[in-house]
Amino acid sequence: GAVVSQHPSWVICKSGTSVKIECRSLDFQATTMFWYRQFPKQSLMLMATSNEGSKATYEQGVEKDKFLINHASLTLSTLTVTSAHPEDSSFYICSAKSGLAGDGNEQFFGPGTRLTVL
Amino acid sequence: QKEVEQDPGPLSVPEGAIVSLNCTYSNSAFQYFMWYRQYSRKGPELLMYTYSSGNKEDGRFTAQVDKSSKYISLFIRDSQPSDSATYLCAMTSNQGGKLIFGQGTELSVKP
Repeated sequence: GAVVSQHPSWVICKSGTSVKIECRSLDFQATTMFWYRQFPKQSLMLMATSNEGSKATYEQGVEKDKFLINHASLTLSTLTVTSAHPEDSSFYICSAKSGLAGDGNEQFFGPGTRLTVL
Repeated sequence: QKEVEQDPGPLSVPEGAIVSLNCTYSNSAFQYFMWYRQYSRKGPELLMYTYSSGNKEDGRFTAQVDKSSKYISLFIRDSQPSDSATYLCAMTSNQGGKLIFGQGTELSVKP
């Protein structure tokens, strides 16, 4: 199956700093990538959808200036949490889909990045 | 009312039991239905993907979709301790559309 990686897997930062999380599709070209956050024992909540070469589409209630998304290539999307605060501590998960006809339009998920803001 | 409802559990069963996991939904436009398995502190892994109503079987796993009742199920036969995880249902109305997830059901299979 398709493989999606995330880096780092775990990050701790001080309040007020910015953190960048990378999401890569390793064996396919991802025309669309999605960013989710997940709080303990809760489901995944979609934050934004990004298409290669265009601006991300953010879900209602997600601050686009705080969560910067860049999808510069067909295999890489980045999420930057700017001026992080303790309430931003969460599990961030990306997913990717190739968009090719016949692929079932399945989303393949990365292993997640645990962010802890002190 | 949430678009997708899933009993969060936890659900504890003995090894070898048949497990039934369920989700209900309110949006009749949903046509694509998925079940994901998520181990602790890991990303979700796709288990089953079905389109519209019907059954789909893959090894010990069977997915059922009843669009008339807006109800989907995942059955796990001969459950194993390695099946212990959180199972999330997800659905969308069109190909490439936004996935709406259930809360996830935490399953524990005891040896």
